[in-house]
Amino acid sequence: EPEVTQTPSHQVTQMGQEVILRCVPISNHLYFYWYRQILGQKVEFLVSFYNNEISEKSEIFDDQFSVERPDGSNFTLKIRSTKLEDSAMYFCASSIKQGKGYTFGSGTRLTVV
Amino acid sequence: DAKTTQPTSMDCAEGRAANLPCNHSTISGNEYVYWYRQIHSQGPQYIIHGLKNNETNEMASLIITEDRKSSTLILPHATLRDTAVYYCIVRSLGGSEKLVFGKGTKLTVNP
Repeated sequence: EPEVTQTPSHQVTQMGQEVILRCVPISNHLYFYWYRQILGQKVEFLVSFYNNEISEKSEIFDDQFSVERPDGSNFTLKIRSTKLEDSAMYFCASSIKQGKGYTFGSGTRLTVV
Repeated sequence: DAKTTQPTSMDCAEGRAANLPCNHSTISGNEYVYWYRQIHSQGPQYIIHGLKNNETNEMASLIITEDRKSSTLILPHATLRDTAVYYCIVRSLGGSEKLVFGKGTKLTVNP
């Protein structure tokens, strides 16, 4: 079964450093998403991306965050200057079209120290 | 999107059917009911979705009441691997693409 692949599985970074979380969505999917889950809390929406642009973003997704689809396969989330409160599991997801179920990746655990 | 209410936790014996309820009394006509689950700290996994008719796939069945104010996810023969947090999410098509996760129901399947 096709999978959404996320790398790395775990990243530790110092506060103030930039991080890039990488995702390879399912190849024929057109809609891409990032979610995060702080330990013990709910899964929260960050951003959706379609047709090479952001289609929706949450209040969490401020100027420190950006997304990119640099080629036909990768989808990245960049955090410019990490804060302690950015520590969370970050999940990438994709779907083939609106209304279909999303396929989530297994996540990247980001730890900011 | 309409708000959903789910029990905090449920238990089920292995091999028995697990019936997970969800209340969405403020659902509107163009809103679908989606079910996802999250096993431990893995990424959420899509299970099933429906509008008003009952739906079945290889994972589960979804029963939506006629007034659409509630639904039940049925895992027909629960296994230990079905232990997870199950989320009922209501979402309209053509509107926001985001999924709003609540706290879900923690289902524990016991041997």
